[in-house]
Amino acid sequence: ETGVTQTPRHLVMGMTNKKSLKCEQHLGHNAMYWYKQSAKKPLELMFVYSLEERVENNSVPSRFSPECPNSSHLFLHLHTLQPEDSALYLCASSQDMGDSYEQYFGPGTRLTVT
Amino acid sequence: AQSVTQPDIHITVSEGASLELRCNYSYGATPYLFWYVQSPGQGLQLLLKYFSGDTLVQGIKGFEAEFKRSQSSFNLRKPSVHWSDAAEYFCAVGTTGGGNKLTFGTGTQLKVEL
Repeated sequence: ETGVTQTPRHLVMGMTNKKSLKCEQHLGHNAMYWYKQSAKKPLELMFVYSLEERVENNSVPSRFSPECPNSSHLFLHLHTLQPEDSALYLCASSQDMGDSYEQYFGPGTRLTVT
Repeated sequence: AQSVTQPDIHITVSEGASLELRCNYSYGATPYLFWYVQSPGQGLQLLLKYFSGDTLVQGIKGFEAEFKRSQSSFNLRKPSVHWSDAAEYFCAVGTTGGGNKLTFGTGTQLKVEL
């Protein structure tokens, strides 16, 4: 148990659907991250939040919309996705944004876009 | 920009044998280096990290890694592999002042033969 939970664990959605991924950390951390993990590709950092403020947006298409209502919760809102968006979406948290802080990962949401 | 190369996509070892997973990085200054492990259906778990000081780093589950600046490498080792070590292993690099944003390699899938 890493203290970071993600729901749902699996999601199948059509290209016209709207869905949301949820991440919750129980570690009292101040920074949270969304990563995309595709087969045979390195983990891609999508978004970073520090103290509920977005500090990084790595050229992610607007069909992905993050939300961080408080330091414990992070959402990724999805709409009009493409089949190539099918991947494992990982959430992580760290104590702070400093260089040396370990990132704790959740188990991920396996997303399939049909 | 920094980058990470894990040259071996798949490695198979016999239980009880020694293991070395390779990682090479590209970065102009002293990097922060990490090894993570991902079991099927799970998120990433930190095995060990190097920030400074002793170049031989001990981690959890009997793993160690050695930072070699001259070779830009941070190889992961274990003297005797257990069947439960079968998983995917990721090397990652962070940069000074990088705000805890990590660049990951593509991973090495480890299979352990009984």
